[in-house]
Amino acid sequence: DAMVIQNPRYQVTQFGKPVTLSCSQTLNHNVMYWYQQKSSQAPKLLFHYYDKDFNNEADTPDNFQSRRPNTSFCFLDIRSPGLGDAAMYLCATSRGTTYGYTFGSGTRLTVV
Amino acid sequence: AQSVAQPEDQVNVAEGNPLTVKCTYSVSGNPYLFWYVQYPNRGLQFLLKYITGDNLVKGSYGFEAEFNKSQTSFHLKKPSALVSDSALYFCAVRDMTESSYKLIFGSGTRLLVRP
Repeated sequence: DAMVIQNPRYQVTQFGKPVTLSCSQTLNHNVMYWYQQKSSQAPKLLFHYYDKDFNNEADTPDNFQSRRPNTSFCFLDIRSPGLGDAAMYLCATSRGTTYGYTFGSGTRLTVV
Repeated sequence: AQSVAQPEDQVNVAEGNPLTVKCTYSVSGNPYLFWYVQYPNRGLQFLLKYITGDNLVKGSYGFEAEFNKSQTSFHLKKPSALVSDSALYFCAVRDMTESSYKLIFGSGTRLLVRP
């Protein structure tokens, strides 16, 4: 089945130690997004790629970076995780602008 | 600016009774509206969307939503609730401003269906 896959499901990292979360998709969608969700709050968009074009939200901290080496994969890099970065990170894809998103199952990040 | 509001933090309903989860929106132009459901420690699952056409939209798991332009609402409904419907529900609107493709989510409503 076509889907969005996030690895790992659970990630524990040390305070200040760089961590990378991954997302892959078999839907061939041209837009990929990273959202941060804390404590059952509304997901907050960090950035998105429209094809290869990177779009950063104005309030996304510099600590968060992203890479999209090809259509299928997208990575979220947190350069120096703080305790406040503990959250569920959701990857999503869409085909253009008219349609809804398809979400992955998320990666729950714990910072110790 | 585009926005959605979910006025209820939690909705409680008995199994077998109808349920409604409320959502109102504020957009410039025609709205693209969505409902998603989230189970604990899971991603968001798509339920239904309104882009254009009939005001009553049918979606997954027996859910439906009614688009009401005059009241700027897009309430989620189900005729007969199941205990397994207990989850967190998000209403969302597509940001249609130039060069933006993001979904803007409401604050979420927790649905609790008691046996």
